[in-house]
Amino acid sequence: ETGVTQSPTHLIKTRGQQVTLRCSSQSGHNTVSWYQQALGQGPQFIFQYYREEENGRGNFPPRFSGLQFPNYSSELNVNALELDDSALYLCASSSDYEQYFGPGTRLTVT
Amino acid sequence: EDQVTQSPEALRLQEGESSSLNCSYTVSGLRGLFWYRQDPGKGPEFLFTLYSAGEEKEKERLKATLTKKESFLHITAPKPEDSATYLCAVHGQAGTALIFGKGTTLSVSS
Repeated sequence: ETGVTQSPTHLIKTRGQQVTLRCSSQSGHNTVSWYQQALGQGPQFIFQYYREEENGRGNFPPRFSGLQFPNYSSELNVNALELDDSALYLCASSSDYEQYFGPGTRLTVT
Repeated sequence: EDQVTQSPEALRLQEGESSSLNCSYTVSGLRGLFWYRQDPGKGPEFLFTLYSAGEEKEKERLKATLTKKESFLHITAPKPEDSATYLCAVHGQAGTALIFGKGTTLSVSS
């Protein structure tokens, strides 16, 4: 059974640029959730996708957007990057309430 | 508003010195309480799900318990490899997200 994978591992971007992060869900899971984790904090919910539809959204601005594909993989897009967007971005897949996380993408905005 | 508070923020133990981590929560209709382990720079690793007060789960040196207001993660005779940040999260009826606490960073020295 393949776990949740994310790419890239690390990314450095300049303020104002756009970024796309990718996630492959665990086999058999049809739901993907994205979280942002700042240093020393718990993960904060960005949004969730269920069968290609957004199924819930946290307190993040519209410049954070996403997609889910028919194979249940997902993308997180962030436009107009700000310095505060520097964080570990986590993807989690699930088929019920238990969410299983990928290794994360470390985004640094300079 | 759903909320999770973990204490202490940091805990230093000697190898073999048992202790407990606390997770206090406020949630409208608990669907599940989750414990994760997170190593530095990595994604959270799923440990336990608890669904109702009185429930207990064990895995090696870890035991999780649940009441109507809080959960405890008991660590018996810890080893240095148990050093990590332990995250508690709840899933309530109101939404689709996991609500995380800030975590407890455990350091076990030999």
